Amino acid sequence: DQQVKQNSPSLSVQEGRISILNCDYTNSMFDYFLWYKKYPAEGPTFLISISSIKDKNEDGRFTVFLNKSAKHLSLHIVPSQPGDSAVYFCAANTGGFKTIFGAGTRLFVKA
Amino acid sequence: SQTIHQWPATLVQPVGSPLSLECTVEGTSNPNLYWYRQAAGRGLQLLFYSVGIGQISSEVPQNLSASRPQDRQFILSSKKLLLSDSGFYLCAWTRPPGNTIYFGEGSWLTVV
Repeated sequence: DQQVKQNSPSLSVQEGRISILNCDYTNSMFDYFLWYKKYPAEGPTFLISISSIKDKNEDGRFTVFLNKSAKHLSLHIVPSQPGDSAVYFCAANTGGFKTIFGAGTRLFVKA
Repeated sequence: SQTIHQWPATLVQPVGSPLSLECTVEGTSNPNLYWYRQAAGRGLQLLFYSVGIGQISSEVPQNLSASRPQDRQFILSSKKLLLSDSGFYLCAWTRPPGNTIYFGEGSWLTVV
């Protein structure tokens, strides 16, 4: 049972434009949501997170939006840069325990 | 600051051989520790987690086991590797009540 789903395996965006990565979840007990960036043969690095009591969190070029009623979150990257090309994982947990990850979306930013 | 290290970074093992991957966390105490696996082209699957010394919970039935002999040490083992055990293994930690999980560098295992 996939509790966290990233239905787009890949996304291609032109440099300077907006990248929007989407994520859906099924477990209403999740209260914390995170996005990670991963390069090949490296561990994922934390990007940005959001608590379930908020609907938006912004950090520089990265913004995460949470729609609890739809059980949906998204990561916006503006403007996209070639260095943003990586696999992005959506994740969720309850009280910081047992973080569950989606399958990942590979982002290609074209120069 | 906290750091996490795991080793070896890469290993190639024959089918039926044993496995031991080690992970240590520095700069914190009483962390929750995790082992994840990323199979080729797939997401991150939670294998084991531990909330304290000697306390191990398994998420999926498999050919692997985990142990936590010290507060900041987590070990992933197998007595006899299978081809299907190949993948990228990641150790990770959280420090309650924090919600963010942090990962090690990863270990590439190829079973031949």
